[in-house]
Amino acid sequence: GAVVSQHPSRVICKSGTSVKIECRSLDFQATTMFWYRQFPKQSLMLMATSNEGSKATYEQGVEKDKFLINHASLTLSTLTVTSAHPEDSSFYICSALPLAGYYNEQFFGPGTRLTVL
Amino acid sequence: QKEVEQNSGPLSVPEGAIASLNCTYSDRGSQSFFWYRQYSGKSPELIMSIYSNGDKEDGRFTAQLNKASQYVSLLIRDSQPSDSATYLCAVLTGAGGSYIPTFGRGTSLIVHP
Repeated sequence: GAVVSQHPSRVICKSGTSVKIECRSLDFQATTMFWYRQFPKQSLMLMATSNEGSKATYEQGVEKDKFLINHASLTLSTLTVTSAHPEDSSFYICSALPLAGYYNEQFFGPGTRLTVL
Repeated sequence: QKEVEQNSGPLSVPEGAIASLNCTYSDRGSQSFFWYRQYSGKSPELIMSIYSNGDKEDGRFTAQLNKASQYVSLLIRDSQPSDSATYLCAVLTGAGGSYIPTFGRGTSLIVHP
């Protein structure tokens, strides 16, 4: 149990385009989902926290108009990178906190590797 | 600002030895503590969770928590080359749908044959 999927796993796009990444909890409902970014050989950086039906909470320094987060249901959150530029190239990972059955344990998706040309 | 500190390593141990990974955290209000393993190019995988003082064992892994010292550790017994990875210490603060996760920078573990 506690499986989180992400789609796509890898995306290459041209500068200026928008990219949408989906995060789904497959066998549980999630009260909260988190979005992280990780550059090579660096630690996880929390970008934002999303709760179903609420506006996302963004960490300091993360542009909310550039990284749009929608948490449409208890099993789906999406991150849209708008007008992507090469400096947005990174490994984007989501995680989910189950509504029940697991005490505060975050389960991570496999990640999405974004390359902006 | 909430902080989680880990020695970046690398920690190198021979196969079969015990690997000891340590972590300290700054927020005394933290309630939940976790160890994740991350292989290069992959996302983190939950290994252990611990919530109360003392030891928690699961197979070859033992997590230890000391809230008074704000210290969490992970012991890996009979280390295997496949254990070579980065180990992330994480704490979670909050309740009622409002949670704040904080991760350490990770400790690189190398288990050599």
